Amino acid sequence: KNEVEQSPQNLTAQEGEFITINCSYSVGISALHWLQQHPGGGIVSLFMLSSGKKKHGRLIATINIQEKHSSLHITASHPRDSAVYICAVSGSARQLTFGSGTQLTVLP
Amino acid sequence: NAGVTQTPKFRILKIGQSMTLQCTQDMNHNYMYWYRQDPGMGLKLIYYSVGAGITDKGEVPNGYNVSRSTTEDFPLRLELAAPSQTSVYFCASSRGGSLADTQYFGPGTRLTVL
Repeated sequence: KNEVEQSPQNLTAQEGEFITINCSYSVGISALHWLQQHPGGGIVSLFMLSSGKKKHGRLIATINIQEKHSSLHITASHPRDSAVYICAVSGSARQLTFGSGTQLTVLP
Repeated sequence: NAGVTQTPKFRILKIGQSMTLQCTQDMNHNYMYWYRQDPGMGLKLIYYSVGAGITDKGEVPNGYNVSRSTTEDFPLRLELAAPSQTSVYFCASSRGGSLADTQYFGPGTRLTVL
């Protein structure tokens, strides 16, 4: 069974700061997903990646397959970035294993 | 497109009651999933389906049942509700064409069993 560990569990930042959330997993995967859960509860997919790096606006996701590690970076953070960020991995069965999430609060 | 819709948004049940959580997607996705999210825990897979007529158990299936008679609908049935089933339930779908697909989530159903 693939275990997914995220750090930190909680993160408070000032507006404009550069933020990093980390994710480690224990066994081989076909892809790693980063999701965002809004304060209202809805979940949206931010990135799916199996190698290298992806960028969307102020969000950057990287993955190191050899080290079984991924990071999600947010540049120039804004209060609207406040949410729970969830890392998940998919293996051979197309099922996702989820981390417990990182609660991010960005203060104005 | 509405994406993935779930009803109801909220529900309170008494111990022993039954209910069905509805999930519908309009993206013609083959794969559908039911998850539960407990406070401080990652989402756990309850059941999933790879197409109409095909369902399989996930990590935490006990106390639940599913059916998939059409591509669009994937209802989750709770029989004999217990306090341990108090949780937020999410339905999701994905195209299913590769091993790594983006999943699209519904807005969730918050269920309390008293």
